[in-house]
Amino acid sequence: KNEVEQSPQNLTAQEGEFITINCSYSVGISALHWLQQHPGGGIVSLFMLSSGKKKHGRLIATINIQEKHSSLHITASHPRDSAVYICAVPPYSGGGADGLTFGKGTHLIIQP
Amino acid sequence: NAGVTQTPKFRVLKTGQSMTLLCAQDMNHEYMYWYRQDPGMGLRLIHYSVGEGTTAKGEVPDGYNVSRLKKQNFLLGLESAAPSQTSVYFCASSYFGGPYEQYFGPGTRLTVT
Repeated sequence: KNEVEQSPQNLTAQEGEFITINCSYSVGISALHWLQQHPGGGIVSLFMLSSGKKKHGRLIATINIQEKHSSLHITASHPRDSAVYICAVPPYSGGGADGLTFGKGTHLIIQP
Repeated sequence: NAGVTQTPKFRVLKTGQSMTLLCAQDMNHEYMYWYRQDPGMGLRLIHYSVGEGTTAKGEVPDGYNVSRLKKQNFLLGLESAAPSQTSVYFCASSYFGGPYEQYFGPGTRLTVT
C-alpha cells in the first residue's frame, strides 16, 4: 500500500516569500493530486499530474516519477494562501479507482 | 451546478444511536467516495462506489454501511454510533476512478458523546 510523506508539517512565512512543500510516496502511481483545505474546512483540488510540471497562477506543481517525489511551489505568497495543502496518491500501484491515500497535510501560514 | 453537497453539516449523536449521512452530486459522476478526517491523520477512505448499485470497502469500513441506489446519491450509515466515530466526514466524486480529479463536498462534522 502506498505510504505518503509530506514535509514540512507546519510552515510559517512572510508575505512575498517563495514556498515549497514536498511529498514523497512509496509505490508507483498513475497520477498525484495536490489539494487545498481552507480554514473553513472545504477541500478543493489544485492539481492532478502524472509527469513534469503544471502551473496555475502563482502555484506550480512538479513531479519526478522515478524518484517518487512531488513538490508544490507558491510564488509571491500572500496571506490568502494560508491553508492546509494535502498530497494524495492512489493506494496501490497504477490504479486509483479505489480512492486515494492522503498525506497528513502541510499547514501553511503566510503572515502580512 | 451545486457540485457535491452533504447533509447534514453538523450532528451530535449519543453512543448507540444511528444516523445516515447523505451525499449528492449533480455532475453525473460514476465514482463516489466517503472519507473521514481526524486530527493528526490524513483523510482515510471508508467506502466507495464505482457506479449505481455497487459499493466496496475502503481502508476503515468497520462500523459503517453504504448504499448507492441512485447514481447521484451515496449514503453513509452508522448503525450504532461510537465515540471513535467522532470525525469530519467528506464525500467526494469523480467522473471515473484513477487519474481523474475528485470533487469534495463541504464535510459533515459528527460528534458522538
